Amino acid sequence: DTGVSQNPRHKITKRGQNVTFRCDPISEHNRLYWYRQTLGQGPEFLTYFQNEAQLEKSRLLSDRFSAERPKGSFSTLEIQRTEQGDSAMYLCASSLVQNTEAFFGQGTRLTVV
Amino acid sequence: EDKVVQSPLSLVVHEGDTVTLNCSYEVTNFRSLLWYKQEKKAPTFLFMLTSSGIEKKSGRLSSILDKKELFSILNITATQTGDSAIYLCAVSKDTGKLIFGQGTTLQVKP
Repeated sequence: DTGVSQNPRHKITKRGQNVTFRCDPISEHNRLYWYRQTLGQGPEFLTYFQNEAQLEKSRLLSDRFSAERPKGSFSTLEIQRTEQGDSAMYLCASSLVQNTEAFFGQGTRLTVV
Repeated sequence: EDKVVQSPLSLVVHEGDTVTLNCSYEVTNFRSLLWYKQEKKAPTFLFMLTSSGIEKKSGRLSSILDKKELFSILNITATQTGDSAIYLCAVSKDTGKLIFGQGTTLQVKP
């Protein structure tokens, strides 16, 4: 499978715990995006990378969220001190360069109890 | 503030019907408009539109962009139950960042 891969697919955590998600983009893609989607809404932009550089971070993203893309390959998204409002589907997408279509992974569904 | 608005938010039709989904946008530094289909999980890519007035087709689906009036439509002819999904419209800015609409939920009844 050469598509975008995300792990884990599902995560249930207690409020206050830290969680980390991983995204492996399509291998030659240099752009990587993170989005969050709640029920009944379209995906909401969180952050994106070009290679290893984080170029933009949503102002809606609190300082509990951090993302990395070491070596410009896979990326991780960490949420510290999770809150119930963090429950959502976290989607990763990659593209070859800007302005080409972005391909999405299957997402990680986070439930904070 | 960048905004993408889709209408209707939901739609119920019967197999064989034709549907038109709408997407209007107000986005600075527009580069392209994309349509995705989402069935329970990840959005899957349908079309990318960059030029006004040029229709893109794939089977029973077609889409067109009007950059003067800032909207796009997605048409599905002879709908099938397998077309039931959420259809997402997104505008790509010059940075590649996608701004999504809230989606149109389509239900096709047998």
